Amino acid sequence: RKEVEQDPGPFNVPEGATVAFNCTYSNSASQSFFWYRQDCRKEPKLLMSVYSSGNEDGRFTAQLNRASQYISLLIRDSKLSDSATYLCVVLNTDKLIFGTGTRLQVFP
Amino acid sequence: DVKVTQSSRYLVKRTGEKVFLECVQDMDHENMFWYRQDPGLGLRLIYFSYDVKMKEKGDIPEGYSVSREKKERFSLILESASTNQTSMYLCASGTGGVTEAFFGQGTRLTVV
Repeated sequence: RKEVEQDPGPFNVPEGATVAFNCTYSNSASQSFFWYRQDCRKEPKLLMSVYSSGNEDGRFTAQLNRASQYISLLIRDSKLSDSATYLCVVLNTDKLIFGTGTRLQVFP
Repeated sequence: DVKVTQSSRYLVKRTGEKVFLECVQDMDHENMFWYRQDPGLGLRLIYFSYDVKMKEKGDIPEGYSVSREKKERFSLILESASTNQTSMYLCASGTGGVTEAFFGQGTRLTVV
């Protein structure tokens, strides 16, 4: 079983839609959680950290459920510029473990 | 602005060659990482280092070695390149505790 699992997508949504991605992780001792964004042929960049209480950054909301070992990312009012691959990332003892990513395509 | 610089964007090497991939960061980060990224497999950790001269194996260290002689520099070495090492290689750095990892632009290595 992979340490971090994500639905690869693609998710094809119209502009203005709300879309949600989920991710599960296998190590209950994982310390920290993140969502990264990767544009085509570019390096991954941090989108947001994920906190137990849930956190929001503009149109983006991240949630963590430690009991069920899953992380979610909600994007409201999708923009064309949100098209990218979203990577779920878990920190295990100084090792950053990446999911394979979920591809989002927003169309006009 | 944090900068992580990889020595080459594109590299073509022959089977059996020794290959050096260099990575330099300018933020005095303790932790540095090497990943490879392949379609359908995502980013897989090859090696990481949390201090000078320290190294730890990641999930796929076979066929690779690393060197960290200075805090800002982390090198990945392919001792004898093989075609199955054709991939995108990404270097990253982060503070102790890794609240965020910053990536270099990647090196696309082709082994022929």
